[in-house]
Amino acid sequence: LAKTTQPISMDSYEGQEVNITCSHNNIATNDYITWYQQFPSQGPRFIIQGYKTKVTNEVASLFIPADRKSSTLSLPRVSLSDTAVYYCLGAQGRRALTFGSGTRLQVQP
Amino acid sequence: DGGITQSPKYLFRKEGQNVTLSCEQNLNHDAMYWYRQDPGQGLRLIYYSQIVNDFQKGDIAEGYSVSREKKESFPLTVTSAQKNPTAFYLCASSILLVADEQFFGPGTRLTVL
Repeated sequence: LAKTTQPISMDSYEGQEVNITCSHNNIATNDYITWYQQFPSQGPRFIIQGYKTKVTNEVASLFIPADRKSSTLSLPRVSLSDTAVYYCLGAQGRRALTFGSGTRLQVQP
Repeated sequence: DGGITQSPKYLFRKEGQNVTLSCEQNLNHDAMYWYRQDPGQGLRLIYYSQIVNDFQKGDIAEGYSVSREKKESFPLTVTSAQKNPTAFYLCASSILLVADEQFFGPGTRLTVL
């Protein structure tokens, strides 16, 4: 199971693009990379998942380089409502996910 | 509406008492999970279940027990053996185990007095 490392916190301003990078040096061949968002006193919410290259949905983009030892979640033009904790997880398909401490994103007006 | 419900939202118990947290889903998901979250921390996996009548220990199973008698239900019992049970408890489900998107309930905040 991929052990992930991500920054503890990040600050941004409304309208900016935010990129959160996650390191997963021991990622296995079968591991996916999944990102979740969590607001205070709520359960996490799935944002995006990928295996390699680039994945984009209506909320975010996920960039995974060829060596797959890191991934970057890109949030375009953040707003105050994007202030939350963002978790990067690796999953191998036979064991449940392990959440780390996540990255606390604070968006300022 | 499909989703996951947890009850109650807030729960208070005296030290030494067992307490059971409810988790129900109507998403027809096979896999269900229980997580614990302490203030300012990430989620830690307590137990998970891939299918009815089967469940596996997660990273912090000591002092907890679960059952999976029905596909829709995955109750968690916090026993008196759990040394520090005050926390935010989250239940989740997914179509299959692990790689699938997990859907989370609203959580139960347990305070042991």
